[in-house]
Amino acid sequence: DQQVKQNSPSLSVQEGRISILNCDYTNSMFDYFLWYKKYPAEGPTFLISISSIKDKNEDGRFTVFLNKSAKHLSLHIVPSQPGDSAVYFCAASVSRAGGTSYGKLTFGQGTILTVHP
Amino acid sequence: ETGVTQTPRHLVMGMTNKKSLKCEQHLGHNAMYWYKQSAKKPLELMFVYNFKEQTENNSVPSRFSPECPNSSHLFLHLHTLQPEDSALYLCASRKDPSADTQYFGPGTRLTVL
Repeated sequence: DQQVKQNSPSLSVQEGRISILNCDYTNSMFDYFLWYKKYPAEGPTFLISISSIKDKNEDGRFTVFLNKSAKHLSLHIVPSQPGDSAVYFCAASVSRAGGTSYGKLTFGQGTILTVHP
Repeated sequence: ETGVTQTPRHLVMGMTNKKSLKCEQHLGHNAMYWYKQSAKKPLELMFVYNFKEQTENNSVPSRFSPECPNSSHLFLHLHTLQPEDSALYLCASRKDPSADTQYFGPGTRLTVL
């Protein structure tokens, strides 16, 4: 049972436009969410995160939105640049200590973003 | 460059071989992880080490054997693997289990013939 899902395997966007990557989760215990970016031949690198006490977190061109009632989060990149072309992974964790899932990251399967010049 | 290195970057091995993957971090972190990424699948957590102690084995077959001799090094010993074990193996570290994010190495691309 996949607890974190990224239903779009790929997304193609024109340079300068907005990229929106989506992620859904099923485990209501998740309270911390992260986005990682991965280039070919490299490991994933941390991009941005959000705690469940917030519904939005912004860092430059990147904004993550969290809708707890829908168990949905999204990553907005605006404006998109060709260098943003990569695989984007959504991840979720339980940040409260004491549970068996404490500290574990559960990943989605990734979305390949291609930004065309 | 995340401060987490992995060697080798590529490995081809037969099903009867024994090999080891190495991960090293110079970040002073106390939690280290092995993940497996197969084609078109999410990253799968394999093992967790917190303060050199294995705290999680995510139902990984015994042909994969982790070792954490100190807080900076993590190994994954491989023996009698199957072709379906071919994947990208990623190591990650975190300051401690409560820290916000994990830092990943570049991975070892493993092919089992």
